[in-house]
Amino acid sequence: DADVTQTPRNRITKTGKRIMLECSQTKGHDRMYWYRQDPGLGLQLIYYSFDVKDINKGEISDGYSVSRQAQAKFSLSLESAIPNQTALYFCATSETGMVGTQYFGPGTRLTVL
Amino acid sequence: QKEVEQNSGPLSVPEGAIASLNCTYSDRGSQSFFWYRQYSGKSPELIMFIYSNGDKEDGRFTAQLNKASQYVSLLIRDSQPSDSATYLCAARNTGGFKTIFGAGTRLFVKA
Repeated sequence: DADVTQTPRNRITKTGKRIMLECSQTKGHDRMYWYRQDPGLGLQLIYYSFDVKDINKGEISDGYSVSRQAQAKFSLSLESAIPNQTALYFCATSETGMVGTQYFGPGTRLTVL
Repeated sequence: QKEVEQNSGPLSVPEGAIASLNCTYSDRGSQSFFWYRQYSGKSPELIMFIYSNGDKEDGRFTAQLNKASQYVSLLIRDSQPSDSATYLCAARNTGGFKTIFGAGTRLFVKA
């Protein structure tokens, strides 16, 4: 089984709808992240969490919110989806420290019409 | 100026050649650097990391770091068609809580 899983893998929705993307991990890492990837822009950090009680905004948090329900679960919500939130979303976990490796989930392709 | 910059490519090399991928970063507080490979539609996977000036070798891959010039590179020796992918450079700050990714360089290895 994959160490980092994301659901759903693909989602098409309409403008104004509320969407939740879920991430679960079995690696036992405290640190979890949400990124979005757009063509030509690389990975942009949306939110990150270093433990259940620690949530931090990333570079592009506007229009998004997160919930860390447990060490293993970190969900991303779009309260009112808009077309420019169409992107590939990745959840990641990492070991602590300066060289802690990040492990990425398989991604969720979200399309907002 | 983006914090981590990479040439978007595509970089095309023949099979068996050395592919050289470059990355510059703007934050002098960056302490560790990562190279990820990403196949189309897939998630990034770590190739290697480096945090000391100089070279670090792992199989066919060599990462090079020059903190004075704020420059990181990845050399792929004996390039194979299976190396065709987008390579992402990332820089992590002191404390390890913020990792900034470049936009990636697309590499094509021609058989």
